[in-house]
Amino acid sequence: NAGVTQTPKFRVLKTGQSMTLLCAQDMNHEYMYWYRQDPGMGLRLIHYSVGEGTTAKGEVPDGYNVSRLKKQNFLLGLESAAPSQTSVYFCASRGTGSGVYYGYTFGSGTRLTVV
Amino acid sequence: GEDVEQSLFLSVREGDSSVINCTYTDSSSTYLYWYKQEPGAGLQLLTYIFSNMDMKQDQRLTVLLNKKDKHLSLRIADTQTGDSAIYFCAERGGADGLTFGKGTHLIIQP
Repeated sequence: NAGVTQTPKFRVLKTGQSMTLLCAQDMNHEYMYWYRQDPGMGLRLIHYSVGEGTTAKGEVPDGYNVSRLKKQNFLLGLESAAPSQTSVYFCASRGTGSGVYYGYTFGSGTRLTVV
Repeated sequence: GEDVEQSLFLSVREGDSSVINCTYTDSSSTYLYWYKQEPGAGLQLLTYIFSNMDMKQDQRLTVLLNKKDKHLSLRIADTQTGDSAIYFCAERGGADGLTFGKGTHLIIQP
């Protein structure tokens, strides 16, 4: 019962470096989300996807790109990391269907520091 | 736009009840949620309530929803030291995910 798995769990980047955060879910969920959490700010939506091959911008998309080439994976990319992107990143997924409650499942987070 | 507001801190004595309040703006919200986050950990779903309900009880947790005033509350009975955490209120409108409040830090006094 893996649920939502995020890799890596921790990472330190230098300003200007690039990296990709991976989110994988094994629940056959249609919807996937990337959030960032900053002290005193709660969680803010970066990008989301409502299905394989589709992505959409959330509240704070600048500086990030995403891809959903496979239904089970949602990748978050930082092309040129900046110190303002130091944060904890959470991935989540949700199933869909009418008349049935589908909850959100969150990963355990990736703590990213940009120096 | 959507907005969810919560108080930043709540301090209670061990054994007392804790009441964490939340207001939201999106009247089309279908579900409202309470999440708990302990230091250095991820988000744990505590409970949720569908928008056509007024109240939901689950052991020590009671959720009250006033849809007219767009007000949601979480009551934790007999608060224990293990309840010390940040509590997030969140609303769900459509496919574009959850909108979270900034979180309420629950501090337990011995």
